[in-house]
Amino acid sequence: SAVISQKPSRDICQRGTSLTIQCQVDSQVTMMFWYRQQPGQSLTLIATANQGSEATYESGFVIDKFPISRPNLTFSTLTVSNLSPEDSSIYLCSVGGIGATNYGYTFGSGTRLTVV
Amino acid sequence: SQELEQSPQSLIVQEGKNLTINCTSSKTLYGLYWYKQKYGEGLIFLMMLQKGGEEKSHEKITAKLDEKKQQSSLHITASQPSHAGIYLCGADSLSGNTPLVFGKGTRLSVIA
Repeated sequence: SAVISQKPSRDICQRGTSLTIQCQVDSQVTMMFWYRQQPGQSLTLIATANQGSEATYESGFVIDKFPISRPNLTFSTLTVSNLSPEDSSIYLCSVGGIGATNYGYTFGSGTRLTVV
Repeated sequence: SQELEQSPQSLIVQEGKNLTINCTSSKTLYGLYWYKQKYGEGLIFLMMLQKGGEEKSHEKITAKLDEKKQQSSLHITASQPSHAGIYLCGADSLSGNTPLVFGKGTRLSVIA
């Protein structure tokens, strides 16, 4: 199964600023998925990032607030812009792929964002 | 869109007791995944079920998918403190190619 390196693992940011989260995968994958996990909640899908095309955003998430880049098949970034305390959450990237039936979808270790 | 209902939302059990967590889908499930998340940590893949009536076990954890492929259960036998965490069921429509949609999770505490 794929291995994902997600950075940073945590950050504390001032409101009004932005945070960019990086995910590096050790193999080429078509789709990468970005999730948000608010305190005490489950994972909510933000968007699907397909290399070579614009990311597809779920209802309630917009590109201006959560711009995503997918420059190649092994890398993606999620930026959380114009931060407010409500953005304090864990953000995770994920990939599926051929091995998903045996090894499950792979998730990054998460980025814990605190906005002050 | 697919929705997953998990029950119970939280569970406190005494060490050594058995427990069951349920996951019900609004639509037929193609792939049903169970994950465990330790508080503040990443997701640990437990099992994936695809076929109606399928059952898989790993150590003291057994997952089942009903024949109609709309309900799954996760059963833990003789619970231990190491089983504590949040259990999440997730579903995809085309295995590996679409994002997982998750239930709200079940928070399990195991007390001595």
